[in-house]
Amino acid sequence: DTEVTQTPKHLVMGMTNKKSLKCEQHMGHRAMYWYKQKAKKPPELMFVYSYEKLSINESVPSRFSPECPNSSLLNLHLHALQPEDSALYLCASSQGTRVTGELFFGEGSRLTVL
Amino acid sequence: GQNIDQPTEMTATEGAIVQINCTYQTSGFNGLFWYQQHAGEAPTFLSYNVLDGLEEKGRFSSFLSRSKGYSYLLLKELQMKDSASYLCAVRVTGGGNKLTFGTGTQLKVEL
Repeated sequence: DTEVTQTPKHLVMGMTNKKSLKCEQHMGHRAMYWYKQKAKKPPELMFVYSYEKLSINESVPSRFSPECPNSSLLNLHLHALQPEDSALYLCASSQGTRVTGELFFGEGSRLTVL
Repeated sequence: GQNIDQPTEMTATEGAIVQINCTYQTSGFNGLFWYQQHAGEAPTFLSYNVLDGLEEKGRFSSFLSRSKGYSYLLLKELQMKDSASYLCAVRVTGGGNKLTFGTGTQLKVEL
């Protein structure tokens, strides 16, 4: 199994809603990532989890709250988002953060904030 | 910080060879990745270079010159399905496995 699975694929939410994006991998990878990608732009790193601990937060606003319940799962909790937060949110995993392994990406969750 | 530059768009003919360049300015360089991304899909890994030289993988090859801060991705025997965005990404030491992506090159393959 070389897949990273993200749900939901599409999400529409209002600025007062609370929602969550979910990501799952069963490759035994110990590092997981959230990236944000706007249309025709490259992915931008948001968070990195290494061995279930948050190791990098790229100064992301607190309305985005990551959670790593176990080594296979990664969530991104969303609250009080703004319309400019509408984007494709990509989850990725890799063997670790100290090895030269590539990132495996999920297909993303496309978020629209109204 | 890091600065990664790629051409925005390129067009090539089916069956031909195309070279996509990437230049970068960074401190603590620790590897360069190439990813392919079709519209609306996830980026998929193509190649990785950490030492100078050429890495070949089927129709795809990638070259790195660390002293020049330069890499290229070479695609041979182009097929229509190669039409996609090609992303160059740089990793630096001390940054975990944090990749910073370039702006991407949109390749269009024509008949």
